[in-house]
Amino acid sequence: SAVISQKPSRDICQRGTSLTIQCQVDSQVTMMFWYRQQPGQSLTLIATANQGSEATYESGFVIDKFPISRPNLTFSTLTVSNMSPEDSSIYLCSVGQSNEQYFGPGTRLTVT
Amino acid sequence: AQSVSQHNHHVILSEAASLELGCNYSYGGTVNLFWYVQYPGQHLQLLLKYFSGDPLVKGIKGFEAEFIKSKFSFNLRKPSVQWSDTAEYFCAVNARDYKLSFGAGTTVTVRA
Repeated sequence: SAVISQKPSRDICQRGTSLTIQCQVDSQVTMMFWYRQQPGQSLTLIATANQGSEATYESGFVIDKFPISRPNLTFSTLTVSNMSPEDSSIYLCSVGQSNEQYFGPGTRLTVT
Repeated sequence: AQSVSQHNHHVILSEAASLELGCNYSYGGTVNLFWYVQYPGQHLQLLLKYFSGDPLVKGIKGFEAEFIKSKFSFNLRKPSVQWSDTAEYFCAVNARDYKLSFGAGTTVTVRA
């Protein structure tokens, strides 16, 4: 199974600023995903980030707010732009391999 | 789009008690089914999965789940829980496209 790391593990940010979250995988994968887990809630898919194509966003998420990069098969970034307190969440990246998904440890974001 | 419902928000058990967590999904096509677990302070881990074949699947740590197609259900069971099973449990579904839809999660607390 893939081993996934994320940076930063947590951050406290002021409203109106932006934060870029990095996701690194120890093997080459085509499919990467970004999820959000708001406090006390389940995981919600933000977007799919496949290498070589534009990220595709789920309903309710837009590129201007959550721009994603996928420069190669082992790395992706998610930026949370113009943050508000409602963006306080855990952000997780995951990769798809052999019909399974493996998740990173998450980035805990608090917006004040 | 798929939706997933988990019957219980919080379950409290004593050690050695049996555990059953309900999960129902709504989707008319062929699906893959998963149970994930998130132990306190740890990241999401795959507990077990069902793709096809025997509807009774066994996972790690003594867990099993049964897929009942006619009921759109994928309930998780463990005959005898341990204190270390205290965790958050998520049922998830995808339509074989890797995009996971998660249930709201069930917090399981096992009292020693």
